[in-house]
Amino acid sequence: DVKVTQSSRYLVKRTGEKVFLECVQDMDHENMFWYRQDPGLGLRLIYFSYDVKMKEKGDIPEGYSVSREKKERFSLILESASTNQTSMYLCASGNLYNEQFFGPGTRLTVL
Amino acid sequence: QKEVEQNSGPLSVPEGAIASLNCTYSDRVSQSFFWYRQYSGKSPELIMSIYSNGDKEDGRFTAQLNKASQYVSLLIRDSQPSDSATYLCAVPNQGGKLIFGQGTELSVKP
Repeated sequence: DVKVTQSSRYLVKRTGEKVFLECVQDMDHENMFWYRQDPGLGLRLIYFSYDVKMKEKGDIPEGYSVSREKKERFSLILESASTNQTSMYLCASGNLYNEQFFGPGTRLTVL
Repeated sequence: QKEVEQNSGPLSVPEGAIASLNCTYSDRVSQSFFWYRQYSGKSPELIMSIYSNGDKEDGRFTAQLNKASQYVSLLIRDSQPSDSATYLCAVPNQGGKLIFGQGTELSVKP
């Protein structure tokens, strides 16, 4: 059973703070993804990674960076949080068949 | 034009009825298709993967794929109030990323 965990379910930060969102998967998948989901906008891909140390920009990478130092861990970093980054953040792990399995999500509020 | 399109709904069906959710996609070379269920405030959960034309059944769920028409559907038999959720269709693009539809909200009324 695939398990993807995220470091926090709810997070409240202040504008300008540096924010780290952690994601860990236990299925030895090569692929990992970060999305944000907002009402009316659907799921939008921020960054993804096909291997350790590798990262690729998704559709909305501005204001974000990522780190993948180990295969099982993929971190999303908000260098200087802004109110328009208030959102639900979803991490997913993907297998060779392109199936993606999501973590529980982190609801981030930036004040 | 969006690559994956779904009716946003809401689709309302009575308990015990068949719910039919539809999805069209634009990429003719797509080989795999996925349905996700997302309860309000929760993350998407993969409930069905389909790779070949025809039907695939899993319990009360049946996915139907027609590659010639670029159409994939999800049927839920004997719908239950617990099936009330948003259903997302997803198709991989050539880069291996998933393209998600906007989702169809399903409401099953007791």
